[in-house]
Amino acid sequence: DGGITQSPKYLFRKEGQNVTLSCEQNLNHDAMYWYRQDPGQGLRLIYYSQIVNDFQKGDIAEGYSVSREKKESFPLTVTSAQKNPTAFYLCASSVDRGPQETQYFGPGTRLLVL
Amino acid sequence: AQKITQTQPGMFVQEKEAVTLDCTYDTSDPSYGLFWYKQPSSGEMIFLIYQGSYDQQNATEGRYSLNFQKARKSANLVISASQLGDSAMYFCAMSREYGNKLVFGAGTILRVKS
Repeated sequence: DGGITQSPKYLFRKEGQNVTLSCEQNLNHDAMYWYRQDPGQGLRLIYYSQIVNDFQKGDIAEGYSVSREKKESFPLTVTSAQKNPTAFYLCASSVDRGPQETQYFGPGTRLLVL
Repeated sequence: AQKITQTQPGMFVQEKEAVTLDCTYDTSDPSYGLFWYKQPSSGEMIFLIYQGSYDQQNATEGRYSLNFQKARKSANLVISASQLGDSAMYFCAMSREYGNKLVFGAGTILRVKS
């Protein structure tokens, strides 16, 4: 089955620690995205990537970093500079960029700070 | 700047009845896309329906239809014959002319009563 997988489902971070969220897709999509969702709110774009070895900041990139070394993978690192990391993180992908391209989402990772 | 407004924080509907979820948007882009996603309690975002800004006809996907009124900048979702499994959070989103960024509304919680 084609789809997007995210791991882990739950992640706990200690103060001052960097943590990495995994996102893998086997849909052969070129574009991948990371969103953050806070309780009772919509999604906000953190980073996106149109092709391998290229990525762009979204609206709330501070305190986060990404890499895109393979087409299938787009990991997100939440650094210690992100002071309020507790949220639900969703990864998405689309065939290409463009206003008509539908983004398909993974199941998400819940990050909690200890 | 682009903005999506969903004015109904919560809605109730009787099983088997139709329900309309409101969405208004603001953009200066000539080309854009409008999307509706469903988010059940599990958290995954499920794509429901898409409408392009130049599409002449309203989009339909099974029990879902999008009532697109471009002059009013509204893109309401109509769910016909509601089912108990339709209980979820529903998000309206808009893409830009050059893609990559989805702007989300705050969402509407729908509860279907038996």
